[in-house]
Amino acid sequence: AQSVTQPDIHITVSEGASLELRCNYSYGATPYLFWYVQSPGQGLQLLLKYFSGDTLVQGIKGFEAEFKRSQSSFNLRKPSVHWSDAAEYFCASSGGSYIPTFGRGTSLIVHP
Amino acid sequence: NAGVTQTPKFQVLKTGQSMTLQCAQDMNHNSMYWYRQDPGMGLRLIYYSASEGTTDKGEVPNGYNVSRLNKREFSLRLESAAPSQTSVYFCASTLRTGGITGELFFGEGSRLTVL
Repeated sequence: AQSVTQPDIHITVSEGASLELRCNYSYGATPYLFWYVQSPGQGLQLLLKYFSGDTLVQGIKGFEAEFKRSQSSFNLRKPSVHWSDAAEYFCASSGGSYIPTFGRGTSLIVHP
Repeated sequence: NAGVTQTPKFQVLKTGQSMTLQCAQDMNHNSMYWYRQDPGMGLRLIYYSASEGTTDKGEVPNGYNVSRLNKREFSLRLESAAPSQTSVYFCASTLRTGGITGELFFGEGSRLTVL
């Protein structure tokens, strides 16, 4: 069975600082990987996805993620965080299953 | 293009009452899902429908029933609400092709309180 782990429950950064949110997956075959963002009181919105090809993928709102098969990781990065990036971030994986697997989420707090 | 629409957005119930959460998508997706979200628990799958005419249990199905009314609509029913079902409920849909489940599109959520 596939699993997705987000080791950090909360991350606090200062506005303008760089950000990296960690995600590790467990899946034997090529995973299909996603990052979603959830603003307070909202549903989840897709930031970016990786299916194949270039291992560095660009997403919306200036986010990027790098797929590293050797480390089973798909970490999300942003070079300079804005106060509006404060939200909950979810990593997810789907493979041959009908059921996408979500991590528990990482809450991002941005200090002015 | 509305995407995934859930109703109602807010609901307060008394223990033992029943209600149905409605979900509709206009993206011609074949797979639909119901999740609940509780603090510190992430998203937990209640039921899903891989395609029109099929439904299957997820991680936390007890106390819930679902109906895939047609390709567009997937409803979630609480027959006898309990305080433990106080949560935020999300409907999602996706297009599954070639054996691959794609990105999920989510509704805005339905906040349910059971007193």
